[in-house]
Amino acid sequence: DAEITQSPRHKITETGRQVTLACHQTWNHNNMFWYRQDLGHGLRLIHYSYGVQDTNKGEVSDGYSVSRSNTEDLPLTLESAASSQTSVYFCASSHLVGTEAFFGQGTRLTVV
Amino acid sequence: DAKTTQPPSMDCAEGRAANLPCNHSTISGNEYVYWYRQIHSQGPQYIIHGLKNNETNEMASLIITEDRKSSTLILPHATLRDTAVYYCIVRGDSNYQLIWGAGTKLIIKP
Repeated sequence: DAEITQSPRHKITETGRQVTLACHQTWNHNNMFWYRQDLGHGLRLIHYSYGVQDTNKGEVSDGYSVSRSNTEDLPLTLESAASSQTSVYFCASSHLVGTEAFFGQGTRLTVV
Repeated sequence: DAKTTQPPSMDCAEGRAANLPCNHSTISGNEYVYWYRQIHSQGPQYIIHGLKNNETNEMASLIITEDRKSSTLILPHATLRDTAVYYCIVRGDSNYQLIWGAGTKLIIKP
């Protein structure tokens, strides 16, 4: 069955380090998204992509970057991790703009 | 800012219908209403979406008022597994992004 997977599921890193979170989907979806979710809040969009070589900033993109070199993967990089980036990160994909999105199980990142 | 307003929490007895309200008074004519839910520590799960007509699928029904300023998600026979945070979302008016609010925490009681 097609799926979307995130790795690692849990990560502890130190302030200032570069961190990359992986997202891989086998739906062959063009659209991929990265969100963060802080305790007691809804999801906030970090970056998104509508296809290979396309990337766009979301509402909370500062300190994050993404690249889309193929359809299946959208890695999220924290250039220099900060304690404010401690959060749960969710990756999602969808087939067409506006259709239902499928979410990964999340990556819990702690920056110490 | 989220374009929807939901109650922060609701209770429902197991086996009864759970009716979750959502206000979206500033919705535009071409914007859809989406519902997702998030069971503790899991990724959000799509439930249903609609534009102006009522919609039903195997999980739930979506009732949208004629003026489209509010909607209700109905889980017809709630089970304990339906305990989750339910998000009502209006699709963003640029780039079709989903704008998430804080949602309603639905607790199903035995």
